[in-house]
Amino acid sequence: SQTIHQWPATLVQPVGSPLSLECTVEGTSNPNLYWYRQAAGRGLQLLFYSVGIGQISSEVPQNLSASRPQDRQFILSSKKLLLSDSGFYLCAGYGGKYEQYFGPGTRLTVT
Amino acid sequence: GQNIDQPTEMTATEGAIVQINCTYQTSGFNGLFWYQQHAGEAPTFLSYNVLDGLEEKGRFSSFLSRSKGYSYLLLKELQMKDSASYLCAVFSGNTGKLIFGQGTTLQVKP
Repeated sequence: SQTIHQWPATLVQPVGSPLSLECTVEGTSNPNLYWYRQAAGRGLQLLFYSVGIGQISSEVPQNLSASRPQDRQFILSSKKLLLSDSGFYLCAGYGGKYEQYFGPGTRLTVT
Repeated sequence: GQNIDQPTEMTATEGAIVQINCTYQTSGFNGLFWYQQHAGEAPTFLSYNVLDGLEEKGRFSSFLSRSKGYSYLLLKELQMKDSASYLCAVFSGNTGKLIFGQGTTLQVKP
């Protein structure tokens, strides 16, 4: 079965600083990968998904970008963080069966 | 457009039964998921329905009616540890994308 790793678990960053969140997958090859964001008390919003190396689809226009440099690595980035970027960021993988597996998440607070 | 509706909050008593409803209007439909999410944690998979009818898994059951765009999650013999948010999500397309509702926060009281 898939295991999704994310780090860091928590992050406090000032407005205007850069961001890099990493997600790695083990237990499967060529997975579809997803970045979701969850604002406090809200549902999950899909930000990006990738069906393969170098292939990124963006779901919503925003201050963030994503990259997939390796089959099992998915990175979420920003050049300059905004207050509205605060939230709980979740990476998920889909390996061909119906279930999406989620990583433990990164709680980002932009101050 | 894509729209998934769930009640925001529900309260129930330990040992009771609770039903959490979800209605959806999406441009594609390949199945419906229910996830459980405890505060500060990632969602964990509960159930998946692709055909109409009831799927039972222990104390949890999930029902789907595709013609009505409706699902519910049924929790029996409620326990305090069932206090969590319950997320309804529609599986859309062939890329595994999930469209989530806002989630229902369930509080179980003694």
